Amino acid sequence: QVQLVQSGAEVKKPGASVKVSCKASGYTFTSYGISWVRQAPGQGLEWMGWISAYNGNTNYAQKLQGRVTMTTDTSTSTAYMELRSLRSDDTAVYYCARDGYYYGSGSPHWGQGTLVTVSS
Amino acid sequence: DIQMTQSPSSLSASVGDRVTITCRASQSISSYLNWYQQKPGKAPKLLIYAASSLQSGVPSRFSGSGSGTDFTLTISSLQPEDFATYYCQQSYSTPNFGPGTKVDIK
Repeated sequence: QVQLVQSGAEVKKPGASVKVSCKASGYTFTSYGISWVRQAPGQGLEWMGWISAYNGNTNYAQKLQGRVTMTTDTSTSTAYMELRSLRSDDTAVYYCARDGYYYGSGSPHWGQGTLVTVSS
Repeated sequence: DIQMTQSPSSLSASVGDRVTITCRASQSISSYLNWYQQKPGKAPKLLIYAASSLQSGVPSRFSGSGSGTDFTLTISSLQPEDFATYYCQQSYSTPNFGPGTKVDIK
């Protein structure tokens, strides 16, 4: 079965960087894209960006351009999301999610979430 | 950017009630509209994709409709496990989510 397992919780200081991993199993990794979504405490869902696991093409949310980088390692079926210059309002649970079978079919598979806390 | 709104922002309902949640896009998104359910402390769960297609494994009491700018999610008979927050998401252009609708117990 499809599984996305994310790395553990992180505590970072303002100005630091964080890199969250998302290890996929149960399907051909390069056949589907991965989106990253975050949720600040008590808030709604925020789409951060998407990466093609096939060719590495990316599409980032405009507000995060220049601070976020999404990559994949096809040898380990793992996707990564790095966020730099962290601020307190980056405190959130970060999720990875796999694309559906075709464009527009949503994200049917999600990781368990990784809490990133930014605090001095 | 396409803006997504949802109404109501919250509602109280009883088990067995029919519940309807509305999602509106600031411009036409054809049928590129998904619905997710999220429970506290859990990842979102895909319920409906492409406006009206039921995701595999999702109970048939959930249904979606609409196209263009106006969409609805309907729960035909609310069950105890349906108390949660529901989000719409457009994928016509750079994806984004609506602000959510919290469904709680009356």
